Amino acid sequence: DSGVTQTPKHLITATGQRVTLRCSPRSGDLSVYWYQQSLDQGLQFLIQYYNGEERAKGNILERFSAQQFPDLHSELNLSSLELGDSALYFCASSKTSGSYNEQFFGPGTRLTVL
Amino acid sequence: QQQVKQSPQSLIVQKGGIPIINCAYENTAFDYFPWYQQFPGKGPALLIAIRPDVSEKKEGRFTISFNKSAKQFSLHIMDSQPGDSATYFCAASSTGGFKTIFGAGTRLFVKA
Repeated sequence: DSGVTQTPKHLITATGQRVTLRCSPRSGDLSVYWYQQSLDQGLQFLIQYYNGEERAKGNILERFSAQQFPDLHSELNLSSLELGDSALYFCASSKTSGSYNEQFFGPGTRLTVL
Repeated sequence: QQQVKQSPQSLIVQKGGIPIINCAYENTAFDYFPWYQQFPGKGPALLIAIRPDVSEKKEGRFTISFNKSAKQFSLHIMDSQPGDSATYFCAASSTGGFKTIFGAGTRLFVKA
C-alpha cells in the first residue's frame, strides 16, 4: 500500500458527461501528479501540483482540469467525455516538486466511457 | 526530444533466466532514470533508479546499466522468478524540470 488513495475505483459514464476523480496524497507529501494510462499509450503525464500551485503540464487536454486544495488532496475533472478518454487514471505523490523524488502511485481509477 | 523509447514491448523468459529491458532517450538534459514495476490492478512502484554519474547500479536481483554516450540504459533481472511477472516502465527526468517521461512499458512473463 503506497499510502495514496484514489476514489472512485471504477467509473462508468456516457459520452458528453463530466466526472471528477479524487486523490489524497501520502501524509507529508506536497506534490501531486496525474497520469493517464491506456493500453496503447503507456503512462502519459497530465499535470503536477505542488502545495496548491500548478507546477508542470503534460499532455492534458483542454477538456481536462485539475486542482489541489489547501488540505493537499487533488481532483481531476474530465468534461465532454469521449470514448477515447476511457483509461486508467493514476495519481502519484512525492515529498517535494523536484524530479529526483520518488513518486508513490495510488491504485488508480478505471474510467469507462460508453 | 522528450520521448523515452522502451523495448521490447513484451518478454517471456524461463524461471532463472535474465530478462533485459532497454530504453533510449534523446534529451541530454535528463539526469535521473528510475524504473517502475507495475503488477496487474496496482499502481506503478519505484524499483530502482540511477543518475548518469555511474554506469551501473545493483539492488538485489535488479541491475541498471547506463551508457551515457549512447543515451541508453537497461534493466537486467538476475535469476528471474514467476513473482517478477509484471509490467516494467523506464522513465527519465531532469534537474529543475518537473516532468517524468515514461517509456511505453514492457510486459514480462516469467514461466515457472
